Amino acid sequence: GAGVSQTPSNKVTEKGKYVELRCDPISGHTALYWYRQSLGQGPEFLIYFQGTGAADDSGLPNDRFFAVRPEGSVSTLKIQRTERGDSAVYLCASSSVPGLAGGHNEQFFGPGTRLTVL
Amino acid sequence: AQSVAQPEDQVNVAEGNPLTVKCTYSVSGNPYLFWYVQYPNRGLQFLLKYITGDNLVKGSYGFEAEFNKSQTSFHLKKPSALVSDSALYFCAVRLDTGRRALTFGSGTRLQVQP
Repeated sequence: GAGVSQTPSNKVTEKGKYVELRCDPISGHTALYWYRQSLGQGPEFLIYFQGTGAADDSGLPNDRFFAVRPEGSVSTLKIQRTERGDSAVYLCASSSVPGLAGGHNEQFFGPGTRLTVL
Repeated sequence: AQSVAQPEDQVNVAEGNPLTVKCTYSVSGNPYLFWYVQYPNRGLQFLLKYITGDNLVKGSYGFEAEFNKSQTSFHLKKPSALVSDSALYFCAVRLDTGRRALTFGSGTRLQVQP
């Protein structure tokens, strides 16, 4: 498809388990973002990739969270030792190459992965 | 630090009437401003953005927004609401330089009654 895709759409896990969430960005988009949206809130930034490297990971809440993008396309968000407070919708977005002005291209969002930690 | 405020949790409007969804922001520098809409069980969809230039920005589905620098506002408007406009609307901001992450407001639910 032409949009950002995320798998799985829903993930239920038990406290303490490890989970991986996958994002497939729009083809050709070099910038990729992860956000987390809790119930009744707006999305909160987690991490931003430009190509293969994490250009800004200041939003990751702690060292249980990690993300990779080894080939500059698909990205995986990894959460170790999940806690009930990690339950949220995890959103991925991508955007095209930033322009000379520093980049102001809009981000295109996927449908999200709803993570529930029991 | 940057922040966005959407002071109304919900806005109710009758179909055919004009609608306004409010947004104010706080940044240390020049803002890039965005509006997104979220339908149930779907991702955020981009509506419009303000980067520079004309303060009145036109976007998708007949929506527009007016950038007001003195009031640090970026209210979303539509001249005639449709029932199908009922959804959750998010305002977002980032600086024109540096950090690319968007800061979102908490969202406003728009309910358009037939």
